[in-house]
Amino acid sequence: AQSVTQPDIHITVSEGASLELRCNYSYGATPYLFWYVQSPGQGLQLLLKYFSGDTLVQGIKGFEAEFKRSQSSFNLRKPSVHWSDAAEYFCAVGAEERKTSYDKVIFGPGTSLSVIP
Amino acid sequence: DTEVTQTPKHLVMGMTNKKSLKCEQHMGHRAMYWYKQKAKKPPELMFVYSYEKLSINESVPSRFSPECPNSSLLNLHLHALQPEDSALYLCASSQFGTHNEQFFGPGTRLTVL
Repeated sequence: AQSVTQPDIHITVSEGASLELRCNYSYGATPYLFWYVQSPGQGLQLLLKYFSGDTLVQGIKGFEAEFKRSQSSFNLRKPSVHWSDAAEYFCAVGAEERKTSYDKVIFGPGTSLSVIP
Repeated sequence: DTEVTQTPKHLVMGMTNKKSLKCEQHMGHRAMYWYKQKAKKPPELMFVYSYEKLSINESVPSRFSPECPNSSLLNLHLHALQPEDSALYLCASSQFGTHNEQFFGPGTRLTVL
């Protein structure tokens, strides 16, 4: 069965420091992967996605992620964190439901990011 | 227009009330979704509509009744809810088919008294 793990429940970084959020997935076929961000009380915003091709993916707000098949990982990075980046971050894997031609998106448990000014 | 809108933003209801949540998108997406999200948890899929037909029901209790009156609108009718149904209800939409990202609305914060 498909699954997503995010080993860090909560991370605190200082403003201006670099950031890496970890994500590991379990999926039998070639996965396609997402990172979403959610500010308190808000909906989810897509930061970036990986479907195929270049394993280093650039997203919005200065984020990037690297797909490593050998490690089943899709870690999110940002070189310099801003106070406005404080939010909940969800890694997700898309799994095709063949009978319906629909993709079920499986979310990881999330990592809460706090930023110290 | 790449926005999914949801109304109301907040809703408080008693266990005997009937209320509805509304979701709208004008991106031409033919797949629409309802998710339930409890605090500090990831979203949980409830329903999927494809071309205005219910495709997926993730064993959701019948007190939640979805409706897709047209390709732009998705409703969630609520009746006889329980306090444990209090949560953030998120609507999303996407292109039909595989390998498509989902666009999320801001959610409706539901409190059941």
